[in-house]
Amino acid sequence: DTGVSQNPRHKITKRGQNVTFRCDPISEHNRLYWYRQTLGQGPEFLTYFQNEAQLEKSRLLSDRFSAERPKGSFSTLEIQRTEQGDSAMYLCASSQRPGQGADQPQHFGDGTRLSIL
Amino acid sequence: AQKVTQAQTEISVVEKEDVTLDCVYETRDTTYYLFWYKQPPSGELVFLIRRNSFDEQNEISGRYSWNFQKSTSSFNFTITASQVVDSAVYFCALCRGSSNTGKLIFGQGTTLQVKP
Repeated sequence: DTGVSQNPRHKITKRGQNVTFRCDPISEHNRLYWYRQTLGQGPEFLTYFQNEAQLEKSRLLSDRFSAERPKGSFSTLEIQRTEQGDSAMYLCASSQRPGQGADQPQHFGDGTRLSIL
Repeated sequence: AQKVTQAQTEISVVEKEDVTLDCVYETRDTTYYLFWYKQPPSGELVFLIRRNSFDEQNEISGRYSWNFQKSTSSFNFTITASQVVDSAVYFCALCRGSSNTGKLIFGQGTTLQVKP
């Protein structure tokens, strides 16, 4: 398997701008997760997809955030009107081949580091 | 509430020393899953081990071993004969069995520095 791929690796933008990140999961994985990690902390769950359906969103995901997974393949995470507090590492993970349970290990990408000026 | 606590923020050892990373979890679920991940400086979280709540057998994989004790809600990780390449941030995580989400609840991580 090729691993989970995320791009860009780094994104620097001015406050108020919109940004979009992309995640390509491991092929055949049904589930795709987005997490956010700030400095010195563990990753925090943002949202997840089962195929193309977005089934759960964290309270951390304000209305400025939107995620999609068209056709159940790659996913995008968009942040509108970015704020200083959005500066973080955004991690994508995928798991679960058909027939496997929800408890399967998640495989993570390298993340996208977002810096808001 | 579900929670994972890694009380050790940073640990520094000299190469070849053994080191244990502590993990304490809280959950009311009877079925749950515990994980350890390694995050090297490159940033990618690397899966190390998964354990379900019904399997309390300790596990050894090379220099790595894990001690799961439900009585103390702990899932500790020991590296034997540490090496410089073991330097990384290590995360313990919990997945609720009652939820079909599969989302992980992470601890704050322990930064391990192995000095030559």
